[in-house]
Amino acid sequence: AQTIHQWPVAEIKAVGSPLSLGCTIKGKSSPNLYWYWQATGGTLQQLFYSITVGQVESVVQLNLSASRPKDDQFILSTEKLLLSHSGFYLCAWVRDWGLAETLYFGSGTRLTVL
Amino acid sequence: GDSVTQTEGLVTLTKGLPVMLNCTYQTTYSPFLFWYVQHLNEAPKLLLKSSTDNKRTEHQGFYATLHKSSSSFHLQKSSVQLSDSALYFCALSDSGMGYKLTFGTGTSLLVDP
Repeated sequence: AQTIHQWPVAEIKAVGSPLSLGCTIKGKSSPNLYWYWQATGGTLQQLFYSITVGQVESVVQLNLSASRPKDDQFILSTEKLLLSHSGFYLCAWVRDWGLAETLYFGSGTRLTVL
Repeated sequence: GDSVTQTEGLVTLTKGLPVMLNCTYQTTYSPFLFWYVQHLNEAPKLLLKSSTDNKRTEHQGFYATLHKSSSSFHLQKSSVQLSDSALYFCALSDSGMGYKLTFGTGTSLLVDP
């Protein structure tokens, strides 16, 4: 069975400080991976997606960047946090049921920027 | 482009009553519709999905029918429970591809005892 792990679970960071969030998926080779952002009580905004190592496509940047250093790893980062970066960050992967790909989310990282 | 509309921001109900959460969509392609549920401080989880016109799909007591004629995929349950209190998202894919999901703004369901 596939498992997706995100780290850290939560972060409290200062404005202007750097950030690195990680996501690892086990049990699936060459997964399509995604980063989503959610403001408190808000909708889900796709940030980046990656279909292979070293390749990342940006959907909405929000002064963030993403990298795919390994087949099973997806990293979200920034050198300088803004207050607007606060929220819930979710890594996701898709499972192809033959009819449609279905998105499954990791447990998320809650980020508070002060 | 694609869009998903959820008209209710907040729905408050007493336990045991029926509920319907509205979802309409716009796309020029063949639609794949999803409902996700997100409990407080948790990640969203898939609840239902469908691409078949006029066929009811059910899971965990919730059900929805995709109606292409009215571009709707409303979520229903005949008797809500306290544990159903959560944020519900309707989502659309016009290609069957996960990376092209468009989410609605979400509906918060609050069930009172």
